[in-house]
Amino acid sequence: AQKITQTQPGMFVQEKEAVTLDCTYDTSDQSYGLFWYKQPSSGEMIFLIYQGSYDEQNATEGRYSLNFQKARKSANLVISASQLGDSAMYFCAMREGGSNDYKLSFGAGTTVTVRA
Amino acid sequence: AAGVIQSPRHLIKEKRETATLKCYPIPRHDTVYWYQQGPGQDPQFLISFYEKMQSDKGSIPDRFSAQQFSDYHSELNMSSLELGDSALYFCASSPSGNRETQYFGPGTRLLVL
Repeated sequence: AQKITQTQPGMFVQEKEAVTLDCTYDTSDQSYGLFWYKQPSSGEMIFLIYQGSYDEQNATEGRYSLNFQKARKSANLVISASQLGDSAMYFCAMREGGSNDYKLSFGAGTTVTVRA
Repeated sequence: AAGVIQSPRHLIKEKRETATLKCYPIPRHDTVYWYQQGPGQDPQFLISFYEKMQSDKGSIPDRFSAQQFSDYHSELNMSSLELGDSALYFCASSPSGNRETQYFGPGTRLLVL
């Protein structure tokens, strides 16, 4: 079963507007971590933001914020004031398991295209 | 700031050949992860090492092997290459003090002809 679900294959957003990328996850673990990565067309995987399952506050990193709704098992990424350089594939990922298990499971990704 | 280094960046091989991918983690990072991303797919975890010992294993074919050396760099050895092995191979590293966050290298793009 898919552990991470990203239901939006692609999105268009106008420059300077905000965009929300959806991510839902499935786990029975109490301790887990949620991540968002950006993959531009050049291929590298860039870490954006992290949310721990026990963190009470939503994570923020500059223009990126993670809307964490634990009961709904969702971890949506909000990008504010979109820029042309934000055009990329965005992956939601989860780390679950015990203290020695740090491998990531990724969603299928969402392609974001920012229009001028 | 120093990042994860992967070499080579691009590699073209024939079927049934072997390939070795190298990964140099960020200094003072002792954990290395390998992921495989097929065309149009999400990355899939292959294997990880912590302090030079294998710590976890994912969907890594038996034709592949990997190790982490005393200087913490890692090598992924791939034998009897198949067309389906064509993919982007990522190495990621994390420090022992914060193993939550993995920092990815630029990837090695392998094409098997």
